Amino acid sequence: NAGVTQTPKFQVLKTGQSMTLQCAQDMNHEYMSWYRQDPGMGLRLIHYSVGAGITDQGEVPNGYNVSRSTTEDFPLRLLSAAPSQTSVYFCASSLAGELFFGEGSRLTVL
Amino acid sequence: DAKTTQPPSMDCAEGRAANLPCNHSTISGNEYVYWYRQIHSQGPQYIIHGLKNNETNEMASLIITEDRKSSTLILPHATLRDTAVYYCIVRVRNTGFQKLVFGTGTRLLVSP
Repeated sequence: NAGVTQTPKFQVLKTGQSMTLQCAQDMNHEYMSWYRQDPGMGLRLIHYSVGAGITDQGEVPNGYNVSRSTTEDFPLRLLSAAPSQTSVYFCASSLAGELFFGEGSRLTVL
Repeated sequence: DAKTTQPPSMDCAEGRAANLPCNHSTISGNEYVYWYRQIHSQGPQYIIHGLKNNETNEMASLIITEDRKSSTLILPHATLRDTAVYYCIVRVRNTGFQKLVFGTGTRLLVSP
């Protein structure tokens, strides 16, 4: 099994550009979530989903959109990137409680 | 939501037991304690979780106090590869939705 797959692994954007971070899992997990991690800080929850068609905001949702049209995919959209969104982004899925994380997407906004 | 408090850093000699403490004094009766670790910019890795009883798996042991206000993760024979940031997390439940809130964790350095 591939587990949780994130793409791209690295991305550089200019301020104001838009992009989508992709996340896919092949474990048939209902729960999926996005976190960001900044230097010296823990992981902060951006958005999460408890199943296809259901999403909710986490701790730091501003500037990000999500959707969950299938169980497998949970993309994170930045509509107008800002330098404050420079970070490492982790996607995670869960079935019963423990989270399985992807390897991360490192985003730099100039 | 219950919060956790962990020391920012700890050191351990290779081969020795590493005991990582966590305080969660406001934990509710139906909330679990989870431990994860993150090895140098990789995705976090699940270690173990528990509700009331002590738990053990192939990676670690989890000791939860009787009042559930604190817990300790034990790595019985730490190796250099155990150098990582360890997160103690209390599972939050909200009308059936589930999410985990991560803090800043404990940076464990295992030295030869």
